[in-house]
Amino acid sequence: NAGVTQTPKFRVLKTGQSMTLLCAQDMNHEYMYWYRQDPGMGLRLIHYSVGEGTTAKGEVPDGYNVSRLKKQNFLLGLESAAPSQTSVYFCASIQGNTEAFFGQGTRLTVV
Amino acid sequence: RKEVEQDPGPFNVPEGATVAFNCTYSNSASQSFFWYRQDCRKEPKLLMSVYSSGNEDGRFTAQLNRASQYISLLIRDSKLSDSATYLCVVNVWGGSQGNLIFGKGTKLSVKP
Repeated sequence: NAGVTQTPKFRVLKTGQSMTLLCAQDMNHEYMYWYRQDPGMGLRLIHYSVGEGTTAKGEVPDGYNVSRLKKQNFLLGLESAAPSQTSVYFCASIQGNTEAFFGQGTRLTVV
Repeated sequence: RKEVEQDPGPFNVPEGATVAFNCTYSNSASQSFFWYRQDCRKEPKLLMSVYSSGNEDGRFTAQLNRASQYISLLIRDSKLSDSATYLCVVNVWGGSQGNLIFGKGTKLSVKP
């Protein structure tokens, strides 16, 4: 049972490039989340999904898009990367009132 | 008022000390409560769930006071390995952020 898996784990992008981060969970969870975490700061919610085919904006959605075409996958896209998007990105999933399960994170640097 | 508030610390304590963290939440519809531990730049990991009756896991004790909307975590006999950031997490059914609300975390540093 892999839980929540994020790919890639590390990436360096040039300003203006695009990329997609994949979050996959094998626990049949309904809710999935994308967060970013900057040095010395807490988790900030980018987008979330309450089920297949649905997405919603979080606290810091600008510059990101998401899709949830399959229940087990939640994709985070950066259409035109900016240095301000250098961060560590975490994906999480939950089911109902249970605890959240996190992926190991993606360390993204935009130069 | 923030939905989940924690003292950011840092808490600097010697080995063997007892340390207590507090967390308050604003939404009375909150359903479930958790403490997570996060090591530097790694993913948060569940430390323990928090129940109204209180619960204990070794050196760690968590308490929930629904009337006061207050959660606590007590660490006894602190170890160097307890150094981390502790996150208070509230699950609010139908909440504005898709149920999960995170505090900003309290940083603990245990010194020899």
